[in-house]
Amino acid sequence: ETGVTQTPRHLVMGMTNKKSLKCEQHLGHNAMYWYKQSAKKPLELMFVYSLEERVENNSVPSRFSPECPNSSHLFLHLHTLQPEDSALYLCASSQDAITGELFFGEGSRLTVL
Amino acid sequence: AQSVSQHNHHVILSEAASLELGCNYSYGGTVNLFWYVQYPGQHLQLLLKYFSGDPLVKGIKGFEAEFIKSKFSFNLRKPSVQWSDTAEYFCAVNAGRDDKIIFGKGTRLHILP
Repeated sequence: ETGVTQTPRHLVMGMTNKKSLKCEQHLGHNAMYWYKQSAKKPLELMFVYSLEERVENNSVPSRFSPECPNSSHLFLHLHTLQPEDSALYLCASSQDAITGELFFGEGSRLTVL
Repeated sequence: AQSVSQHNHHVILSEAASLELGCNYSYGGTVNLFWYVQYPGQHLQLLLKYFSGDPLVKGIKGFEAEFIKSKFSFNLRKPSVQWSDTAEYFCAVNAGRDDKIIFGKGTRLHILP
């Protein structure tokens, strides 16, 4: 139990579907992150939120849309994805966006057909 | 741009062998350095970290890492590995006050019983 919970753990969707990934942290942290983990590639930082404001967007395609309604919750809205978007999507949190010690969830395994 | 290189993608060792996993980064300023581990079927978790002070850092489960500034390296070591150390190991760098944490591609370690 890491204090960071992701749902769903597995998701299969077609290219025309709209779905959302959810992340919740119970650690009282102020920063939350979305990472993409693909085979044989480095973990890719997608989005960073600090105190509910987006501070980083690494040129992620607009078919991925993050939402951070409060410091405990983070969503990743998915729309018209491509098969190459299939990956493990990891949510993480940290005390703040500077210290860098991340606490990860178990990930949401996404398959796009 | 910052980058993190892990030279060994897949390492196979027998129990009781000594381990050293290489990590080099490209950034000339102040850095925070991390090693994360992902055991099979589990979430990424912090193994050890370096922020400042003694460049030899001790982490959980008998792991240690040495920060050598002149070599831009932060290699992970363990004198005698166990079968339970089978996992994927990720080196990560947070460049000072930057809120980005950059990960290497990971090294998959397989320990033979």
